[in-house]
Amino acid sequence: GNSVTQMEGPVTLSEEAFLTINCTYTATGYPSLFWYVQYPGEGLQLLLKATKADDKGSNKGFEATYRKETTSFHLEKGSVQVSDSAVYFCALSTNFGNEKLTFGTGTRLTIIP
Amino acid sequence: DAGVIQSPRHEVTEMGQEVTLRCKPISGHDYLFWYRQTMMRGLELLIYFNNNVPIDDSGMPEDRFSAKMPNASFSTLKIQPSEPRDSAVYFCASSSVGETQYFGPGTRLLVL
Repeated sequence: GNSVTQMEGPVTLSEEAFLTINCTYTATGYPSLFWYVQYPGEGLQLLLKATKADDKGSNKGFEATYRKETTSFHLEKGSVQVSDSAVYFCALSTNFGNEKLTFGTGTRLTIIP
Repeated sequence: DAGVIQSPRHEVTEMGQEVTLRCKPISGHDYLFWYRQTMMRGLELLIYFNNNVPIDDSGMPEDRFSAKMPNASFSTLKIQPSEPRDSAVYFCASSSVGETQYFGPGTRLLVL
């Protein structure tokens, strides 16, 4: 079956630090990959996505590249801000957007000024 | 668009009571999903609908849980009777064909 393994948290960084949150997956077929972000007290918001190998998703300074050879989709940002403090979820779907999203356990990120 | 709307935002009830959670999807979306989020189990898909028809309810934990979608603009998730272990945040999400899911703000349920 499908599964997503995500870097354990919590992660605490200083403002302007470089961020990497690791995500690897197991899936049948060719999944689409997603990063969602959840700010305190809110629902999940799509941060970025990639639908095929070597695609790079990007948004708000965050990037992730779909690596089929390593079954990975690591989230990166060059310089984090306090406003990036949130919980980040890696997820996959084997039918883009319309079937079960399999989520990782989430990584809580805290940025300190 | 107002996004996915869920009500109530918070619910506190006593064990044994019936709980009904409500969701209004984004207009034009033909898929609707119910998720549960807990510290222990993370995010779990409970059930999803396509064009108001339940497609996969394998995530519904037990017979105490039921979900309906009587029309394209409304869905309910009912727990009867409720138990303390049902305490969680319940999310509704919707999508259209080929698009990603948009999540509502969630209902925080506490069963005492």
